[in-house]
Amino acid sequence: KQEVTQIPAALSVPEGENLVLNCSFTDSAIYNLQWFRQDPGKGLTSLLLIQSSQREQTSGRLNASLDKSSGRSTLYIAASQPGDSATYLCAVRGIIQGAQKLVFGQGTRLTINP
Amino acid sequence: EAGVAQSPRYKIIEKRQSVAFWCNPISGHATLYWYQQILGQGPKLLIQFQNNGVVDDSQLPKDRFSAERLKGVDSTLKIQPAKLEDSAVYLCASSLGVGRSEKLFFGSGTQLSVL
Repeated sequence: KQEVTQIPAALSVPEGENLVLNCSFTDSAIYNLQWFRQDPGKGLTSLLLIQSSQREQTSGRLNASLDKSSGRSTLYIAASQPGDSATYLCAVRGIIQGAQKLVFGQGTRLTINP
Repeated sequence: EAGVAQSPRYKIIEKRQSVAFWCNPISGHATLYWYQQILGQGPKLLIQFQNNGVVDDSQLPKDRFSAERLKGVDSTLKIQPAKLEDSAVYLCASSLGVGRSEKLFFGSGTQLSVL
């Protein structure tokens, strides 16, 4: 059974800092890993997708890395801004009980203080 | 391009009552998903449709939850009767297909409170 864990559950940092969010998963047999952003009262928005054969993906101030063998991914946010405040979820896609599924972590609630 | 539409945004009901949620996916998207997100947890897949056929409903509590996608477009998720533990946000998502790298687009969700 695939389990995805995100630590910490909440993080508060001053504006301008660089920060890292962590994601770990128990089964390394995955197709890919995605990072999503969720704003209060809103749905999820996909930020980055890393294929299982890739090591990292970058989009603007965001950089996501993947170490499939150790079951870990990190989301690096550079020069954080108050607008980055949101909940960040990671999700892995793989075969679970014979079906292709996306399994989510519980998220890290990020607050950037001006 | 219009996004995934969901209604209602909020619903408050008493336990043992019935409730229905509606979703209209992005035009042309063949795959539709319903997720349940309990406060403080990540979304959990309830059911996945490919056109109007069910691909995966292994985590749908079928004794009380039902879903349909008539004509392969709009979808309705129903809970009857509701329990206190059904309080959650119900998210609908859609994608073009079912490929491994398929991007999911989410609606804003329906927040259900069962009293």
